[in-house]
Amino acid sequence: DAKTTQPTSMDCAEGRAANLPCNHSTISGNEYVYWYRQIHSQGPQYIIHGLKNNETNEMASLIITEDRKSSTLILPHATLRDTAVYYCIVRGIKAAGNKLTFGGGTRVLVKP
Amino acid sequence: DAGVIQSPRHEVTEMGQEVTLRCKPISGHDYLFWYRQTMMRGLELLIYFNNNVPIDDSGMPEDRFSAKMPNASFSTLKIQPSEPRDSAVYFCASSPGYTGELFFGEGSRLTVL
Repeated sequence: DAKTTQPTSMDCAEGRAANLPCNHSTISGNEYVYWYRQIHSQGPQYIIHGLKNNETNEMASLIITEDRKSSTLILPHATLRDTAVYYCIVRGIKAAGNKLTFGGGTRVLVKP
Repeated sequence: DAGVIQSPRHEVTEMGQEVTLRCKPISGHDYLFWYRQTMMRGLELLIYFNNNVPIDDSGMPEDRFSAKMPNASFSTLKIQPSEPRDSAVYFCASSPGYTGELFFGEGSRLTVL
């Protein structure tokens, strides 16, 4: 699976949009981009995933660049409860197995 | 739905003792995963099952670790004998098919003295 690069940490203001970047320059055409988050002392939580089109759900939006080498997770109105570690993961085709490999993630602190 | 249920939530044991962690996946999910999380190594996949069959155990650290899934609603991760370096939070997760959407339990925090 392609490796991802994320900033180690970032701060966001409560009520503002939080834009979390992820680089995956070695991504191949059949690999999806997944985002998870882990709030302190809890298990990771699925947020969203996409292949090449932008995606939106009730939690967030995922913007994938046209060349697919990077993506941005957008939390439209960050709240204090969004403070967590956010993981960007690239996941391969079925032949590679149903694995999800977590990296270091981005530690996001939402401040009042 | 109750979600993925893990037990115990906390376990403190002494080196050399056997530890058994338990997991009940979400009903209808055919994939089950065991992860371990430490400060040093982050989240590591230990093993995963599909339809109760172990598919990939390449992440199991050594022979002291074993995992079983006797039926679709129950799995165990056993460490025998336990060592202090096994101290970690162990997460179980399940997913419905090959979706990449894993549902995690709240974890079992293991401390080996």
